[in-house]
Amino acid sequence: QKEVEQDPGPLSVPEGAIVSLNCTYSNSAFQYFMWYRQYSRKGPELLMYTYSSGNKEDGRFTAQVDKSSKYISLFIRDSQPSDSATYLCAMSSNTGNQFYFGTGTSLTVIP
Amino acid sequence: EPEVTQTPSHQVTQMGQEVILRCVPISNHLYFYWYRQILGQKVEFLVSFYNNEISEKSEIFDDQFSVERPDGSNFTLKIRSTKLEDSAMYFCASRDRDRAYEQYFGPGTRLTVT
Repeated sequence: QKEVEQDPGPLSVPEGAIVSLNCTYSNSAFQYFMWYRQYSRKGPELLMYTYSSGNKEDGRFTAQVDKSSKYISLFIRDSQPSDSATYLCAMSSNTGNQFYFGTGTSLTVIP
Repeated sequence: EPEVTQTPSHQVTQMGQEVILRCVPISNHLYFYWYRQILGQKVEFLVSFYNNEISEKSEIFDDQFSVERPDGSNFTLKIRSTKLEDSAMYFCASRDRDRAYEQYFGPGTRLTVT
């Protein structure tokens, strides 16, 4: 059973669109939920994190966690060509020792 | 802004050779990690390290792998006898004591085993 599942895409949207990225998971011990952005052949860059359930907003980005459904989302408003990258969800238990990553969703924002 | 650095950026080695991948974590961080990413696949956890000992390791991290913090700044991953399937991008990450959610990743070392 896979710990974290994420649709790999690719996802292609016009500039200005709202983007919705999602992950599901199976381990109810996960408490920390992160979204990373990764450009080709670079290291993952932390975008946002959420602890337990709820929403968090940071500029054009909103992260949502629904622990009852074991489902997390990242919304990007007013998407820009510079948002084109692979977006990885990651999760961990309270210890934070081990992050479990999704496969990543490749996003292209077309000008 | 402080960042995690890794050297070399690309390492080519022959099967059976030993390699050492080097990382300099962010200076006030106490927790250190190695992950790998085989081309086109997930980022996979290898090992976590705290207080000069391994905290947790995955099934991938077998006896061929070892980690060390030889001094106050470096954190290394050694692969004793490389195999073709060890070819991957290896990422080092670090975090401070209080923020379990905030692992900062380095740019990675691309290891190619021929």
